[in-house]
Amino acid sequence: AQSVAQPEDQVNVAEGNPLTVKCTYSVSGNPYLFWYVQYPNRGLQFLLKYITGDNLVKGSYGFEAEFNKSQTSFHLKKPSALVSDSALYFCAVRDMRGSNYKLTFGKGTLLTVNP
Amino acid sequence: DTAVSQTPKYLVTQMGNDKSIKCEQNLGHDTMYWYKQDSKKFLKIMFSYNNKELIINETVPNRFSPKSPDKAHLNLHINSLELGDSAVYFCASSRVYNEQFFGPGTRLTVL
Repeated sequence: AQSVAQPEDQVNVAEGNPLTVKCTYSVSGNPYLFWYVQYPNRGLQFLLKYITGDNLVKGSYGFEAEFNKSQTSFHLKKPSALVSDSALYFCAVRDMRGSNYKLTFGKGTLLTVNP
Repeated sequence: DTAVSQTPKYLVTQMGNDKSIKCEQNLGHDTMYWYKQDSKKFLKIMFSYNNKELIINETVPNRFSPKSPDKAHLNLHINSLELGDSAVYFCASSRVYNEQFFGPGTRLTVL
């Protein structure tokens, strides 16, 4: 079985400060890992993914994520937050073992960036 | 140039009615999905088709029936709507195993 946990329901940061949104996962095989963002009344937008290779993945809008196999984590980071980054962020995982088409999402973390 | 489109955007209906939601993608993807997002924003996969073949069929009431007439379309038909069906339904598409692209959602309200 595959699962993903986002331990924080909400993260608040000041504009210009670095931000981190946490994600841990559990899979039997190797993971495909994804981050998505959802703005109010919109669909999810893909930010970045880890499949293999470099543990630091860079994505859209200045976001990056670090894959840590020993800690089974894939935290989303940005060096300097913008008010416009305020949104709901979802981490998702797919177990690469077998013909597994299913993507499992975390429950989401609401990021609020204060001016 | 909408990549994944859904119609309608809003759907308000009475309990017991039957309704359909349509989804189309112009990305050339081979896999399409239906998700349900509840009031707490939890996102749950319902169905997925790969090249018109059903590959994911989660524990969903059989009142929900997906139909994929071709690789670019995936529709969702719901019979005998119940209050608990009220949610936002998202369609998504991808090349199999790759990142998914989501539609704007259909907000279903059952009265």
